[in-house]
Amino acid sequence: KQEVTQIPAALSVPEGENLVLNCSFTDSAIYNLQWFRQDPGKGLTSLLLIQSSQREQTSGRLNASLDKSSGRSTLYIAASQPGDSATYLCAVYILTGGGNKLTFGTGTQLKVEL
Amino acid sequence: ETGVTQSPTHLIKTRGQQVTLRCSSQSGHNTVSWYQQALGQGPQFIFQYYREEENGRGNFPPRFSGLQFPNYSSELNVNALELDDSALYLCASSVLGARGYTDTQYFGPGTRLTVL
Repeated sequence: KQEVTQIPAALSVPEGENLVLNCSFTDSAIYNLQWFRQDPGKGLTSLLLIQSSQREQTSGRLNASLDKSSGRSTLYIAASQPGDSATYLCAVYILTGGGNKLTFGTGTQLKVEL
Repeated sequence: ETGVTQSPTHLIKTRGQQVTLRCSSQSGHNTVSWYQQALGQGPQFIFQYYREEENGRGNFPPRFSGLQFPNYSSELNVNALELDDSALYLCASSVLGARGYTDTQYFGPGTRLTVL
């Protein structure tokens, strides 16, 4: 059974700091990995998607890496801003007899302070 | 904005009642997946519909059921509501390709269900 773990569970940093969020998964047979952002009480916004054959993806101040063999991904946020405050979720997409589904971690709650 | 809409936004029900949640998928998408997100947890996969057929199911009891319509919109029905069903219910639309898998799933804003 695929399990996804995110560390740390919560993080508070001053504005301008660079930071790294970690995600690990137990089964390397994934099709892709996605990072999402979730604001309180809201839906999910897709930030980056990395195919299983890729090593990293970049979008603006965000960079996500994937090491499938070790079951790890990181999300790097450069020059953090208060508007980055949200919960960040990683999810792996797996193909199973029980459906093509995303398996999520429990998220990292980020607070960027002025 | 993803183009995926859900209704209603919030809902309050009592134990034992039944509820129907609705989702309109993004134009051109043929697949809808439903997820349940309890407070402080990541979303859990309930089931997926592709071309009006259930295409996979997570570890949820049969009182969770769904439908997908010809226009690819979808409903999630929950019978005999329990207190633990209180959660944010998210739907996601995507395109399931000929090879049987999809790329990015686009999520709606969710329906907050409270069971008293």
